Amino acid sequence: GEDVEQSLFLSVREGDSSVINCTYTDSSSTYLYWYKQEPGAGLQLLTYIFSNMDMKQDQRLTVLLNKKDKHLSLRIADTQTGDSAIYFCAETSPLGGSYIPTFGRGTSLIVHP
Amino acid sequence: KAGVTQTPRYLIKTRGQQVTLSCSPISGHRSVSWYQQTPGQGLQFLFEYFSETQRNKGNFPGRFSGRQFSNSRSEMNVSTLELGDSALYLCASSLPGSQETQYFGPGTRLLVL
Repeated sequence: GEDVEQSLFLSVREGDSSVINCTYTDSSSTYLYWYKQEPGAGLQLLTYIFSNMDMKQDQRLTVLLNKKDKHLSLRIADTQTGDSAIYFCAETSPLGGSYIPTFGRGTSLIVHP
Repeated sequence: KAGVTQTPRYLIKTRGQQVTLSCSPISGHRSVSWYQQTPGQGLQFLFEYFSETQRNKGNFPGRFSGRQFSNSRSEMNVSTLELGDSALYLCASSLPGSQETQYFGPGTRLLVL
């Protein structure tokens, strides 16, 4: 089946930028998402990008999409301790009339002072 | 607008028992999807319901079932519980349409002893 891969861990210092990377295999991906999960909580939608876009910026978040290489990244500027969480990349493509996302395993972001 | 709600939040059962989990979607959302999240397997898609019909199904045994009511609320049922069913069960709702971004609830944490 289709696959989404992410590195498992990222450690950064408070105030630095974080870059979380993701690769996917489905060339028919339509939308790509970033979700955040804090301990004991569900997934919070952070941002998404349509497959015909290269970049999307939303406050401290910048999403870059390289469709040729099937590579997605999430940059968090001025990372804070409250950004410590697991970040999931997901891609969707039409399936049976709906869009069921395929998730990566998640990247644990650790922000230290 | 209220988010996706799931009840109960925590549940302890023993092997062989059955369990029913409930999900209330965001008002106006008609699609409800269920996921199982475990440390070993990550996020795995269980099934999706739309207008009281199962529209998509993941690769889980028949012990896992679900339904959706006319008000879009959904329940999932797991019969003959196994230790490996211990997981965080997440529900997500979406509006039908060309994108169908999924919004997640906080999850139900099930522990099978």
